[in-house]
Amino acid sequence: DGGITQSPKYLFRKEGQNVTLSCEQNLNHDAMYWYRQDPGQGLRLIYYSQIVNDFQKGDIAEGYSVSREKKESFPLTVTSAQKNPTAFYLCASRGPGTGMGYEQYFGPGTRLTVT
Amino acid sequence: QQQVKQSPQSLIVQKGGISIINCAYENTAFDYFPWYQQFPGKGPALLIAIRPDVSEKKEGRFTISFNKSAKQFSLHIMDSQPGDSATYFCAASMKETSGSRLTFGEGTQLTVNP
Repeated sequence: DGGITQSPKYLFRKEGQNVTLSCEQNLNHDAMYWYRQDPGQGLRLIYYSQIVNDFQKGDIAEGYSVSREKKESFPLTVTSAQKNPTAFYLCASRGPGTGMGYEQYFGPGTRLTVT
Repeated sequence: QQQVKQSPQSLIVQKGGISIINCAYENTAFDYFPWYQQFPGKGPALLIAIRPDVSEKKEGRFTISFNKSAKQFSLHIMDSQPGDSATYFCAASMKETSGSRLTFGEGTQLTVNP
């Protein structure tokens, strides 16, 4: 069963703690993305990776870090430097040659609450 | 400018009616325009997408209309059903730069009353 998995679905942390969100895909996609979604707002790009061992900052990278050691995995760490970390975090992936070639497919998301 | 502006913010339609959501963009380098549907607590799902070389694309009850000169595109949902109640996002991308990253509109919360 192919797809993108994110775990956990809900995550609670105390302020000042770093937390890592998991994203795994078995679609054999090269590119992976992390977005943040706040109530009543669109999705904002945090980081993206087009190939293993390479990634670029998106529009709101401050306070976040990522790694891409394996094609299937793109974990996101929310650090204590992120001023307002409570949000819904979405991971997506994109593969070559699918349809128009740009399609991004999303995971189910992780809702992070920091108190 | 990378912005995509979406309207309305919320929309209420009666069952069987037509739902219309509009988006406008500024960057003429965008060359891919998808629409996503998102149910509460779920990830967005790709609904339909269009390239600027066509003015309309239809898939079932969903149609994208694209006006290149006006830099606008819209989603039409025909015969709207209560199950269509969700948040809809338009987006835009340009393949040649930045890993085909998507720029999203702010979203439209659609409610279809039975």
